Amino acid sequence: KAGVTQTPRYLIKTRGQQVTLSCSPISGHRSVSWYQQTPGQGLQFLFEYFSETQRNKGNFPGRFSGRQFSNSRSEMNVSTLELGDSALYLCASSPDGDSGANVLTFGAGSRLTVL
Amino acid sequence: GENVEQHPSTLSVQEGDSAVIKCTYSDSASNYFPWYKQELGKRPQLIIDIRSNVGEKKDQRIAVTLNKTAKHFSLHITETQPEDSAVYFCAATPGGGGNKLTFGTGTQLKVEL
Repeated sequence: KAGVTQTPRYLIKTRGQQVTLSCSPISGHRSVSWYQQTPGQGLQFLFEYFSETQRNKGNFPGRFSGRQFSNSRSEMNVSTLELGDSALYLCASSPDGDSGANVLTFGAGSRLTVL
Repeated sequence: GENVEQHPSTLSVQEGDSAVIKCTYSDSASNYFPWYKQELGKRPQLIIDIRSNVGEKKDQRIAVTLNKTAKHFSLHITETQPEDSAVYFCAATPGGGGNKLTFGTGTQLKVEL
């Protein structure tokens, strides 16, 4: 069974640009979550999508957005990039479940560097 | 919202000794508490988890305990080995459903020969 796949693995952007990151969850998983990991702030929740709907949202500015497609693949977008957006962006998928907490499996991440 | 505090930030033990990492959470409605291990340059991997209806769970050398009254949970690693060296994160899922995890700040564990 394939794991969580994230693309691209590495990317470099300049301030003001925008970026789109992609995540393919484990087959059968309908929940996809996104996290930002930085040395200073640790692992911070961005948002979660379930059945193409945003189910939870973290405390990030509106420049951070996401969506989920009917095949459960998800994308996140960051517009007007700032230096502080440099981070490892991790996607995690979880089995179907409408209530309670489920086990998250993380992808390898997309490392974004903003110059 | 949920707040998770984790201690210590660094922990150095001798091979074969035990290691304990502690976390506290703020939301009494939290009901799921996983622990992740992240080796350098790799993704976080779930090593053990516990739900609020259980007080203790063990998997070989790893155990987790949960005290709902005090709102804290701990990771115990016995007979540590060099390959246990990594950063360990605790997390909690606040009540309300979904898979939103609030993570602790991490513990760098170093197992010395």
